[in-house]
Amino acid sequence: AQKVTQAQTEISVVEKEDVTLDCVYETRDTTYYLFWYKQPPSGELVFLIRRNSFDEQNEISGRYSWNFQKSTSSFNFTITASQVVDSAVYFCALCSAGGTSYGKLTFGQGTILTVHP
Amino acid sequence: NAGVTQTPKFRILKIGQSMTLQCTQDMNHNYMYWYRQDPGMGLKLIYYSVGAGITDKGEVPNGYNVSRSTTEDFPLRLELAAPSQTSVYFCASSSQSNSNQPQHFGDGTRLSIL
Repeated sequence: AQKVTQAQTEISVVEKEDVTLDCVYETRDTTYYLFWYKQPPSGELVFLIRRNSFDEQNEISGRYSWNFQKSTSSFNFTITASQVVDSAVYFCALCSAGGTSYGKLTFGQGTILTVHP
Repeated sequence: NAGVTQTPKFRILKIGQSMTLQCTQDMNHNYMYWYRQDPGMGLKLIYYSVGAGITDKGEVPNGYNVSRSTTEDFPLRLELAAPSQTSVYFCASSSQSNSNQPQHFGDGTRLSIL
C-alpha cells in the first residue's frame, strides 16, 4: 500500500522568510509520480508540480523549488521569500506509473501554511 | 474553458435523505475521480472511472454509488445520507495513457448532513 506523510500539520512564518514543507512517501513501485497541490482559502485545488521517480533533478519555478531524494523517499517543497498570498494548505500526493494504477492519487494530510505580514 | 464543474457548491441534507453530486468536464478526459476531504485530512478516493461505462471503487466507497454514461459526466450518488458523510467532495479528471498527467479538480461541493 502507498502512503504519503506530511509531518508538519501547521507552519507559521513571517513574510519574506523561507519555508520548507516536508513530504515523505512509501511505495513498493519502482516507477511512480509525485505531485504537489495548493489549496488556497477559496478551497480549490491548484496543481503545482509533477515529478517522475526517474528524475531526481531538483526543480525551481520562481520562488518555488522542489527537492526530490529517492534515497530518503522525500519530496520537499521550499518557498523562498514567502508572501501572504502563499498562505494555503499544501498537499503532497503520489501515484503509481503502472498500467492498472489509472492515475489514482494517494494524498498526504496536508500542511497549513500561514504567512503573516 | 470551464474545466471541471461541480454542482451544487453547498448543500445541507437531513439524515437518510439522498442526493446526487454532479460533475462534468469539457476537456474530453477519459479518467474521472471522486474524492472526499475531511477536516485536517488529505483527500481520499471514493470512486473512479477510466471511461464511459467503466467505474471502480476507491479507498472509501461505502455509502456511495457512481455511474458514467458519458465521457463528460460522472455523478456521485448518496442513497442514505449519514453524518459521517459530512465532507467536502472533489471531482477530478485527467487525460492519460499513463499516470503522469496531473488531475484537474473542480471547486468542490461542501456537504453537511444534519
